[in-house]
Amino acid sequence: EVQLVESGGGLVQPGRSLRLSCATSGFTFDDYAMHWVRQAPGKGLEWVSGVSWNSGSIGYADSVKGRFTISRDNAKNSLYLQMNSLRAEDTALYYCAKDQRITLFGVVEYWGQGTLVTVSS
Amino acid sequence: DIQMTQSPSSLSASVGDRVTITCRASQSISSYLNWYQQKPGKAPKLLIYGASSLQSGVSSRFSGSGSGTDFTLIISSLQPEDFATYYCQQSYSTRPLTFGGGTKVEIK
Repeated sequence: EVQLVESGGGLVQPGRSLRLSCATSGFTFDDYAMHWVRQAPGKGLEWVSGVSWNSGSIGYADSVKGRFTISRDNAKNSLYLQMNSLRAEDTALYYCAKDQRITLFGVVEYWGQGTLVTVSS
Repeated sequence: DIQMTQSPSSLSASVGDRVTITCRASQSISSYLNWYQQKPGKAPKLLIYGASSLQSGVSSRFSGSGSGTDFTLIISSLQPEDFATYYCQQSYSTRPLTFGGGTKVEIK
């Protein structure tokens, strides 16, 4: 069974940093691209970032480019999102998600349950 | 960026109804269109990929069609467990991936 378990969310002040982690199991992690997708309270889904199996291909939403960094550790079956210079508009539930393919194909096949990030003073 | 527009934004329907949700892309995306279902407090779930391919384990009462810029998700006979919000998403351009605004299906 595919499992994606996010952690690292919490309350943080504007301008500060936070690092999200996603521990995975139930599939061969380095055979798939991975994504972070967020959902602000009461709002729709917004893709944040994606990374191919070997980190050779990475993409970011314009809204986070230059502030967020996605990474993965295939030896630890884990995905990360380093979030710097956080803003109030980054407040959201952040989902870790598995792509259907090894490259950034964009079909998000499985989703974790999310970790909540709240940016507020 | 490719903009995705869903309609309607919400609808009320009864159990057994046929429900149609549409999604329009701001440019041609061939068949790179996916549909997700999200129930309150839960993570989204992939229903349809490639415009018309049913994800494994998903009920056959869900179907998808379309290509280019116009796409449709059909629920052939609405069941109580189908009341949820549905999102379309394009994967023609993966930088960025973009979602529609969602369609909330409520009980009439």
